[in-house]
Amino acid sequence: SQQGEEDPQALSIQEGENATMNCSYKTSINNLQWYRQNSGRGLVHLILIRSNEREKHSGRLRVTLDTSKKSSSLLITASRAADTASYFCATVPPLGEYGNKLVFGAGTILRVKS
Amino acid sequence: NAGVTQTPKFQVLKTGQSMTLQCAQDMNHEYMSWYRQDPGMGLRLIHYSVGAGITDQGEVPNGYNVSRSTTEDFPLRLLSAAPSQTSVYFCASSLLQGNTGELFFGEGSRLTVL
Repeated sequence: SQQGEEDPQALSIQEGENATMNCSYKTSINNLQWYRQNSGRGLVHLILIRSNEREKHSGRLRVTLDTSKKSSSLLITASRAADTASYFCATVPPLGEYGNKLVFGAGTILRVKS
Repeated sequence: NAGVTQTPKFQVLKTGQSMTLQCAQDMNHEYMSWYRQDPGMGLRLIHYSVGAGITDQGEVPNGYNVSRSTTEDFPLRLLSAAPSQTSVYFCASSLLQGNTGELFFGEGSRLTVL
């Protein structure tokens, strides 16, 4: 069963605009991670935020975490055509069914038009 | 470092055939795992290992076997392929047990079962 669910399922924006993707999850977490997947490639880790953190930045990425609402958002500022990819959130529950293994959502497909 | 290497990249099988997907990592990671990715379902954990000689089942283990004789290698065996196993398979590894560390993914193996 999926822990994280991304919203929207697909997003299309113009180059230079900001892109926001949301992730909701069901149970308590140890940390939440965001990954990017380019078409036909493997996933690449972008950023990790721990359950006691509220916001984290990495370059043009900003991640927020609201544990009271069990949700996270990924903001990509000043998007580029190269940001076109699928984005996944992944959660690590403290006492998950499979221990502390990452559980992935279905992903958001981002298309940045130039 | 090559990172995580998966072979083959593409494979077509007939129902009932068996095969092994290979995965090797050169980062001395203790944790290795296999996921399958299907449209709209994100990544689902098949099997994982926290070290040589130790393996455990994930969310969707039926029809698959794994072994971990060395730290570097973690092959995934399909015992008797079924059309429902048509998917893209990803091997991933981590320094930790996936608790806080990021996962490093291979490029994937696309399997079609006829």
